Amino acid sequence: EAGVTQFPSHSVIEKGQTVTLRCDPISGHDNLYWYRRVMGKEIKFLLHFVKESKQDESGMPNNRFLAERTGGTYSTLKVQPAELEDSGVYFCASSLLNQPQHFGDGTRLSIL
Amino acid sequence: AQSVTQLDSQVPVFEEAPVELRCNYSSSVSVYLFWYVQYPNQGLQLLLKYLSGSTLVESINGFEAEFNKSQTSFHLRKPSVHISDTAEYFCAVSESQKVTFGTGTKLQVIP
Repeated sequence: EAGVTQFPSHSVIEKGQTVTLRCDPISGHDNLYWYRRVMGKEIKFLLHFVKESKQDESGMPNNRFLAERTGGTYSTLKVQPAELEDSGVYFCASSLLNQPQHFGDGTRLSIL
Repeated sequence: AQSVTQLDSQVPVFEEAPVELRCNYSSSVSVYLFWYVQYPNQGLQLLLKYLSGSTLVESINGFEAEFNKSQTSFHLRKPSVHISDTAEYFCAVSESQKVTFGTGTKLQVIP
């Protein structure tokens, strides 16, 4: 089966611009998660979707971040406007209910 | 609230030597425990997990971890490491659908 797919693998943008990250979960996985790792720090939870609904968005850093999962399939994470501290690796994961999460390769976001 | 501590940020070890990567956690309820591995230029992969049952869990590539409730630990061990084990290892805990990660331990296997 295909794994969790993230696009792009790397994005370089200037401060103030907008970037949209995409995640395609494993087919049939209702649960979709976003995480972020800022350089040298731990991987931190951002939010959790169950199908198209946001189950937990307690980790979203501020209102410059917007996550959507229209139709309960793929998800997007938009950063607008991007700031320097947003640089890091953004991971997406998906799972069946109460099962271990499967992670994508991540999107490395660099803000200049 | 749950948290995970990985005290060692880097662990150098010679090839074929044993290794232990330490992990301690805190949580107010029963948890699930995981080790994830990130090989160079790759994403996170699940290495092994403890959900219930036997406290000793094993991976297909020779790693094992033991859940110790009294010491709140889930240390990762391998009796003989290989060059290909060079990677960053993350201990993680989950008490709901949210996973909390440690800061990671970089295992550097020296030929």
